[in-house]
Amino acid sequence: RKEVEQDPGPFNVPEGATVAFNCTYSNSASQSFFWYRQDCRKEPKLLMSVYSSGNEDGRFTAQLNRASQYISLLIRDSKLSDSATYLCVVTPNTGGFKTIFGAGTRLFVKA
Amino acid sequence: DGGITQSPKYLFRKEGQNVTLSCEQNLNHDAMYWYRQDPGQGLRLIYYSQIVNDFQKGDIAEGYSVSREKKESFPLTVTSAQKNPTAFYLCASTGGYEQYFGPGTRLTVT
Repeated sequence: RKEVEQDPGPFNVPEGATVAFNCTYSNSASQSFFWYRQDCRKEPKLLMSVYSSGNEDGRFTAQLNRASQYISLLIRDSKLSDSATYLCVVTPNTGGFKTIFGAGTRLFVKA
Repeated sequence: DGGITQSPKYLFRKEGQNVTLSCEQNLNHDAMYWYRQDPGQGLRLIYYSQIVNDFQKGDIAEGYSVSREKKESFPLTVTSAQKNPTAFYLCASTGGYEQYFGPGTRLTVT
């Protein structure tokens, strides 16, 4: 079993749609969780951190369920510019030195 | 502006040659990393360094070498021993838990 697993997609959605990505992780002692966005042929960029209480940033909402060991990202009112690959990222309790990146979920938003 | 720079953006080499990829950061971060990304795949950790003059192998270190003589710099050498060196190489650094990435170097070996 991979340490961090994501549905590779691709997810093809129309503009204005709501889309949700899930990610599961295997190490129950994991400490920190993030969603990164990676555009085609570019570097990953931090989208948002994920907290147990959940957090929201505009159209984006991230949730963490430690009991079930999964993380989710919800994108509301999808825009064409949201088309990208979304990476689920988990850091073990030893700190940020062995961060584990999921393979990513590809999203295409179409007009 | 603070950030991470990698150079060059594109690099072409002949098989059998060693090549060094540059990574510099002015974020005052202690930890730095090198990752490799192949088409349609996730990031794989090559080497990481938590502090100057110290570094550890990641999951795919064979055929690569690094040095960390300065806090700001973490160059990666792709040696001729690396069987499939053509890939997108990403350097990152962290001052806490989230990592910040440079723009990457696309290496093509023929």
